[in-house]
Amino acid sequence: DVKVTQSSRYLVKRTGEKVFLECVQDMDHENMFWYRQDPGLGLRLIYFSYDVKMKEKGDIPEGYSVSREKKERFSLILESASTNQTSMYLCASSLPYSSPYNEQFFGPGTRLTVL
Amino acid sequence: SQKIEQNSEALNIQEGKTATLTCNYTNYSPAYLQWYRQDPGRGPVFLLLIRENEKEKRKERLKVTFDTTLKQSLFHITASQPADSATYLCALPIYLSGGSYIPTFGRGTSLIVHP
Repeated sequence: DVKVTQSSRYLVKRTGEKVFLECVQDMDHENMFWYRQDPGLGLRLIYFSYDVKMKEKGDIPEGYSVSREKKERFSLILESASTNQTSMYLCASSLPYSSPYNEQFFGPGTRLTVL
Repeated sequence: SQKIEQNSEALNIQEGKTATLTCNYTNYSPAYLQWYRQDPGRGPVFLLLIRENEKEKRKERLKVTFDTTLKQSLFHITASQPADSATYLCALPIYLSGGSYIPTFGRGTSLIVHP
């Protein structure tokens, strides 16, 4: 059974802390994505990566950075957490756009609360 | 600018009826369109993909249509059941300068099937 796993389901952090969210996929997918989802705003892309060590900004990269040192792992970093980063964070992976089977596989999500 | 629009109001229907959800888009000509289901507190799950040269796609009780002239996709669930209650998202690949395509999601429509 193919899987995308995220390091935590729930996380509570303090303002100013550095936060690491980890995502691992076991499908050998090239593409990996980080989204945040807020009520009424839908899924918004933070960063994505189409290869190891490659990254591209999405719609809302400010306040975030990412790391992809291995193909299966994509990390989202909040350099200095702020209360407006309280949200549900979703990781996803997929085959490349050129593939006819490039649907996204999502992890279970991490609900982050910044106090 | 490119936009994806789904009805923000929840769709309430009685069990056994056909549910029809709409996805409209503007300023874009996607090669395909995807539909996902999302349950509360969980990541979206891929349901169906329909390509621009396909008018209709079926999978069990699901049917998707794609009208590239109207720039619209309709998502139908026949013989709906309370277990079909969820939020349904459409997604299109949006071209980024630099050669990347990234999936962009609508905000989703909540479906509530009453027994």
